[in-house]
Amino acid sequence: EAGVAQSPRYKIIEKRQSVAFWCNPISGHATLYWYQQILGQGPKLLIQFQNNGVVDDSQLPKDRFSAERLKGVDSTLKIQPAKLEDSAVYLCASRPDRASYEQYFGPGTRLTVT
Amino acid sequence: SQKIEQNSEALNIQEGKTATLTCNYTNYSPAYLQWYRQDPGRGPVFLLLIRENEKEKRKERLKVTFDTTLKQSLFHITASQPADSATYLCALDMGTGGFKTIFGAGTRLFVKA
Repeated sequence: EAGVAQSPRYKIIEKRQSVAFWCNPISGHATLYWYQQILGQGPKLLIQFQNNGVVDDSQLPKDRFSAERLKGVDSTLKIQPAKLEDSAVYLCASRPDRASYEQYFGPGTRLTVT
Repeated sequence: SQKIEQNSEALNIQEGKTATLTCNYTNYSPAYLQWYRQDPGRGPVFLLLIRENEKEKRKERLKVTFDTTLKQSLFHITASQPADSATYLCALDMGTGGFKTIFGAGTRLFVKA
């Protein structure tokens, strides 16, 4: 079974630029999460999708972050414009169904904002 | 809001010994608690889940306990090996339904040969 795929793996941008991250979850997984992990901290939930609908985006800074999951499969997370404090690893995770709590994580995208 | 406390100091132990990591939470008791392993440059990997009505869960050399009175979970690795060196994250459900999870900052474990 293929794991969660993310790209790019690394990205360096200047502040005020925009950036997009892509995630392809495990086939058949209905729930998809985006997390932000700042160095030395645990992953912080940004947004959760169930199929192509948003379940929770209460911690997403909506003035600069946006995410979509078209057709309930792949997802894209965008930051526009980026700030220095957005430097972090952005993790995508998926979960198979309502009966399972286990989340499967991708390798993450390391973003550096200069 | 729920807060999770994991020892921020790294844990250094000798190969063959038992490593014990602690996860404390401050507010409501979660319906379940999970432990994940994270290696540098990689995403977390699920290890074990324990529910609020379970006291203990085992998987191979891993054991998790859950004490809702103390608001604490302990994670044990017996017969530890250098390959067990990683950061271990505790995660709780956020108590709002919908399978949302809050993660602790993790504890770094170093196992010396």
